[in-house]
Amino acid sequence: KNEVEQSPQNLTAQEGEFITINCSYSVGISALHWLQQHPGGGIVSLFMLSSGKKKHGRLIATINIQEKHSSLHITASHPRDSAVYICAAFLMDSNYQLIWGAGTKLIIKP
Amino acid sequence: NAGVTQTPKFQVLKTGQSMTLQCAQDMNHNSMYWYRQDPGMGLRLIYYSASEGTTDKGEVPNGYNVSRLNKREFSLRLESAAPSQTSVYFCASLSRDIFQPQHFGDGTRLSIL
Repeated sequence: KNEVEQSPQNLTAQEGEFITINCSYSVGISALHWLQQHPGGGIVSLFMLSSGKKKHGRLIATINIQEKHSSLHITASHPRDSAVYICAAFLMDSNYQLIWGAGTKLIIKP
Repeated sequence: NAGVTQTPKFQVLKTGQSMTLQCAQDMNHNSMYWYRQDPGMGLRLIYYSASEGTTDKGEVPNGYNVSRLNKREFSLRLESAAPSQTSVYFCASLSRDIFQPQHFGDGTRLSIL
């Protein structure tokens, strides 16, 4: 069993839909990282959070430390949001080591 | 502000050849990482360096060596390339504050024939 698991693995939705991608982890973490990888391959950091909720534009990330669960939401989804979304966890008391989820491939159809 | 710079962007090698992938960051970050990404797969950590002068093995270190030359530069060496090492390699860096974004290079597409 992976220490960081994402769901769903693949998600196809229509433009305008509200999107939720989930990340669960089974280890103690210091922080959780959400990233986006576009079809061209470039990787961009979206959020780093250890508690509560963060919002940037149409993207919202939440984390529940007690439940060891984080979600990434996209409101009013657009075809340009099509990408792979990855969560990664900083292990508590580790030497800056990250454990990576396998990613969620999101396709937004016009 | 260049961020994280990887060279080369593309490389084709023959089995048994050696090469070094270069990575440099200009953000004064302490931690640097090398990942590989195989087609349709997630990132896997090869080696990381939490600070200048230290390196640690990640999930898939076999067949690779690294050097943290200074705070800016972290190189990855393939001593004897094998077809199984065909992949896209990403370098990344992170400040000591883990709540700052991790920055990635554009990747090196490496093919071993």
